[in-house]
Amino acid sequence: AQSVAQPEDQVNVAEGNPLTVKCTYSVSGNPYLFWYVQYPNRGLQFLLKYITGDNLVKGSYGFEAEFNKSQTSFHLKKPSALVSDSALYFCAVRAMDSNYQLIWGAGTKLIIKP
Amino acid sequence: EAQVTQNPRYLITVTGKKLTVTCSQNMNHEYMSWYRQDPGLGLRQIYYSMNVEVTDKGDVPEGYKVSRKEKRNFPLILESPSPNQTSLYFCASRRQGTSNSYNSPLHFGNGTRLTVT
Repeated sequence: AQSVAQPEDQVNVAEGNPLTVKCTYSVSGNPYLFWYVQYPNRGLQFLLKYITGDNLVKGSYGFEAEFNKSQTSFHLKKPSALVSDSALYFCAVRAMDSNYQLIWGAGTKLIIKP
Repeated sequence: EAQVTQNPRYLITVTGKKLTVTCSQNMNHEYMSWYRQDPGLGLRQIYYSMNVEVTDKGDVPEGYKVSRKEKRNFPLILESPSPNQTSLYFCASRRQGTSNSYNSPLHFGNGTRLTVT
């Protein structure tokens, strides 16, 4: 079965420190990978995507993500966390044999402490 | 401003009373979708539509109906709501017209929090 796993329900980071939010996936074929962020009382917003090419992709708000095919991972990273980065983060994958529908992770709550 | 608009934002109703949550987008997107968000479960797709008059079931379609009579609107209908449909609902849209459009990101509304008692 195709799936996306975000192994951490919550990640706590001190402001100014680097952050990583983990995502692993299991799909058939070449995946299209996405990260979305949800701020309180808002809908999800697109952060970045990996389609093909360079394994390190850069996105909005200084975030980046590294695609690792051998580990089937797509971890979200930021070199220096801001308090305003506190939010709920979702990883999603679109696979060709899922009729191109997105498969979502359960979400990781990121808390940045001043 | 490009946006997906859902109404209402909050809705409290009783079991069995039919309701409709509206969704409208102004980006001329072909693809629209409804999700429900529950703690620990992430987003689960209810229905989606690839274009006008084309709808398909997602992962959790039971108890829901949709229609896509116009490109911009994709209402979600609960004919007989039950307490297990208490959830946060999101409508989303994206381009769907070329082979590259599967890479297009989704644009989300701000959500509708539904409580069924």
